[in-house]
Amino acid sequence: EDKVVQSPLSLVVHEGDTVTLNCSYEVTNFRSLLWYKQEKKAPTFLFMLTSSGIEKKSGRLSSILDKKELFSILNITATQTGDSAVYLCADPISLNTGTASKLTFGTGTRLQVTL
Amino acid sequence: DTEVTQTPKHLVMGMTNKKSLKCEQHMGHRAMYWYKQKAKKPPELMFVYSYEKLSINESVPSRFSPECPNSSLLNLHLHALQPEDSALYLCASSQEGGQATDTQYFGPGTRLTVL
Repeated sequence: EDKVVQSPLSLVVHEGDTVTLNCSYEVTNFRSLLWYKQEKKAPTFLFMLTSSGIEKKSGRLSSILDKKELFSILNITATQTGDSAVYLCADPISLNTGTASKLTFGTGTRLQVTL
Repeated sequence: DTEVTQTPKHLVMGMTNKKSLKCEQHMGHRAMYWYKQKAKKPPELMFVYSYEKLSINESVPSRFSPECPNSSLLNLHLHALQPEDSALYLCASSQEGGQATDTQYFGPGTRLTVL
């Protein structure tokens, strides 16, 4: 059974700090790894990682995948209070139908950025 | 445009009521999903529709009944729910469902309270 583990479970930092969130996975037939940010309601898509060693970047957020060691990290630099959220890592599993996939989420990392 | 809309935003119902949750997307996506999320837990898949046909039912109790009237709409009919069914219900959609690069986009959710 595919497994996604995130660490730490929660984190409190001061505004301006840099944080690194971790996601390790044990999956069969790896296809991609997804990162989402969830504030109060909808998980918002951040990155999809398919290739090892290639950094994806969006503003102050960046993410990289290591397929050999089976983990991914999400970096946030110069954190702001608006970065406070739960960050979810997910593994899409292709279902038997071949036309749909199921997301297996990690438990998430709850990030709180204080002033 | 990566918007998935859901109505209502909040719903309070008694155990004998019948209600429906609605989800809509106009991105031309052919896979749509219902997830259930309890507090401080990651989303859990309930149903998957692919090309308007039910692909996956993750052993969800029959008091939850999904419906996909067309490729843009997804409903979740609720009947005789239990208090433990109180949760955030998230709808998601993705382009194809089976592709390695398929990304699921989530709606804002319906927060359901069963009294």
